Amino acid sequence: AAGVIQSPRHLIKEKRETATLKCYPIPRHDTVYWYQQGPGQDPQFLISFYEKMQSDKGSIPDRFSAQQFSDYHSELNMSSLELGDSALYFCASSLGPGQGATTYNSPLHFGNGTRLTVT
Amino acid sequence: AQKITQTQPGMFVQEKEAVTLDCTYDTSDPSYGLFWYKQPSSGEMIFLIYQGSYDQQNATEGRYSLNFQKARKSANLVISASQLGDSAMYFCAMREGSLADRGSTLGRLYFGRGTQLTVWP
Repeated sequence: AAGVIQSPRHLIKEKRETATLKCYPIPRHDTVYWYQQGPGQDPQFLISFYEKMQSDKGSIPDRFSAQQFSDYHSELNMSSLELGDSALYFCASSLGPGQGATTYNSPLHFGNGTRLTVT
Repeated sequence: AQKITQTQPGMFVQEKEAVTLDCTYDTSDPSYGLFWYKQPSSGEMIFLIYQGSYDQQNATEGRYSLNFQKARKSANLVISASQLGDSAMYFCAMREGSLADRGSTLGRLYFGRGTQLTVWP
């Protein structure tokens, strides 16, 4: 079965540089989520999109932005990188109301993550 | 307030034994879903099992079962016949709300802090 695809798997950047993370959701999934997981921590919600519009916003820094495109893939853009941005970044997708699903009973399916290291 | 609480930072179990990982949750929404995820040391986040707030029976999925006690707001994961490959971090998570609503917080997945399970031979 198709899974969520994230690229790149690993990324090394220097402070103040920019980074772009890409996510391709499972086909037919119309909702995309971004999470950040620091070392030894639980995943923290950043932002989500439903039908290409932002649907929810969590603890996403102003230096970060994201969007979902017409083909439903999503990109997380991170600028002015800081050492504290080093983390595992997950993208997840799920079925939404557009596919007849109710929100609370659809699991999020996660990609393998992008491990960002800022030096 | 923490929506998901996992009180066991680490658990140890011998191979072939059963183990229970605890999870309690906090919500005032009558509609919610509870999920368990496994995260091996390689980092990926693997969906294991789901329980809906209106489900009358406990969910089962192979060696995984969810002990759902609604009145106590607990959703413990039971792994039967543990295997060495079960060693991983396990996260309990919750989604609230019956319908997606743009601009609201409905739909995001709230995670607990996880339980590191170690299976020994």
